[in-house]
Amino acid sequence: GAVVSQHPSWVICKSGTSVKIECRSLDFQATTMFWYRQFPKQSLMLMATSNEGSKATYEQGVEKDKFLINHASLTLSTLTVTSAHPEDSSFYICSAPSGTSGRTYNEQFFGPGTRLTVL
Amino acid sequence: GENVEQHPSTLSVQEGDSAVIKCTYSDSASNYFPWYKQELGKRPQLIIDIRSNVGEKKDQRIAVTLNKTAKHFSLHITETQPEDSAVYFCAASYNQAGTALIFGKGTTLSVSS
Repeated sequence: GAVVSQHPSWVICKSGTSVKIECRSLDFQATTMFWYRQFPKQSLMLMATSNEGSKATYEQGVEKDKFLINHASLTLSTLTVTSAHPEDSSFYICSAPSGTSGRTYNEQFFGPGTRLTVL
Repeated sequence: GENVEQHPSTLSVQEGDSAVIKCTYSDSASNYFPWYKQELGKRPQLIIDIRSNVGEKKDQRIAVTLNKTAKHFSLHITETQPEDSAVYFCAASYNQAGTALIFGKGTTLSVSS
């Protein structure tokens, strides 16, 4: 149990276009999901917290109008990179905590990540 | 907010040796400390975690120690094998729903045979 999927696994787009990345919890509900960005040979940096039924909370320095987050249901959060530029090229990973089935809240389950390349 | 420092950034050991990676955190309210192993292009994989109510936890060749007073925790890998080669990340957070993990910068472990 506790599987998180992401789609697509990789995407290549032209500069100026928008890209949507989906994060799904397959066998549990997640009122909260997290979006991280990881540049090559660097750590995972928290971008934002996605909250079902309310606005996302963005970390300092992350442009909320550029990285649109929608938590449409208890199993789906989407991240849309608007007007993408080459510097947005990165590995985007989502995670969701599972507070059910006896697990403590903060055991995080990560999606497989999405490799975004902006030309 | 929380800040996690991790050392060393790279670590090279011979097969069979032990490896130790250390992390410090800044927020005394943090009480959940997981360690992840990440292979290139893949998601982080939880290898062990510890909560603030214990000082040490062990799982076969892997152990984690926590010193809440000093606000540091360490990962210990014994009898290292080439397949242990990867990037390891420590993280910290509050143990409650809706709280994200804050990661250290990572340690690249290389185990040579």
